[in-house]
Amino acid sequence: AQKITQTQPGMFVQEKEAVTLDCTYDTSDPSYGLFWYKQPSSGEMIFLIYQGSYDQQNATEGRYSLNFQKARKSANLVISASQLGDSAMYFCAMREDGSARQLTFGSGTQLTVLP
Amino acid sequence: DTGVSQDPRHKITKRGQNVTFRCDPISEHNRLYWYRQTLGQGPEFLTYFQNEAQLEKSRLLSDRFSAERPKGSFSTLEIQRTEQGDSAMYLCATGPGSNEQFFGPGTRLTVL
Repeated sequence: AQKITQTQPGMFVQEKEAVTLDCTYDTSDPSYGLFWYKQPSSGEMIFLIYQGSYDQQNATEGRYSLNFQKARKSANLVISASQLGDSAMYFCAMREDGSARQLTFGSGTQLTVLP
Repeated sequence: DTGVSQDPRHKITKRGQNVTFRCDPISEHNRLYWYRQTLGQGPEFLTYFQNEAQLEKSRLLSDRFSAERPKGSFSTLEIQRTEQGDSAMYLCATGPGSNEQFFGPGTRLTVL
């Protein structure tokens, strides 16, 4: 079974509008972390936001917020006031608390911001 | 710029040749990861070092792949007898031991 599912291969949003990128996850580990990364066409992976499984409040970082619904196993990224520079591939990832703590990534959502 | 550097940024090689990539982590980060990303996919975990010890390897890491991290500083990833299926972006990430992983710019390998 997929551990991280991103069901939106591509999304379009008008500049200055908000957009939600979906992510669902699957784990039986009670302790885990959820991440969102942005990957522009240049290729680097840029860390955006982190949510721990025991965090009571949804994480926020500037224009990014993570809508964490633990019972539904979803961790959607909300980008407010979209900018043209937000056009990129967005990856949701999960870290389970084993020894290596490696990240498992979804297949990504390509976001295009329209002027 | 995350402070993690990778060299080279691009590598084109012929099938059957050996290639080696280098990752220089943020100096105080003891965790180092290698990931592979093929076109249109998210990165996939290859291997993990804590300091100089290689503690975990994915089954994606065939016998042709070897990684080292001497002295717990920089790391190298070598691919022997490259195949066309090895064409991908190879990403290095380092972490201070808690939540974040900071990625380098990657090495894009093309096997002809």
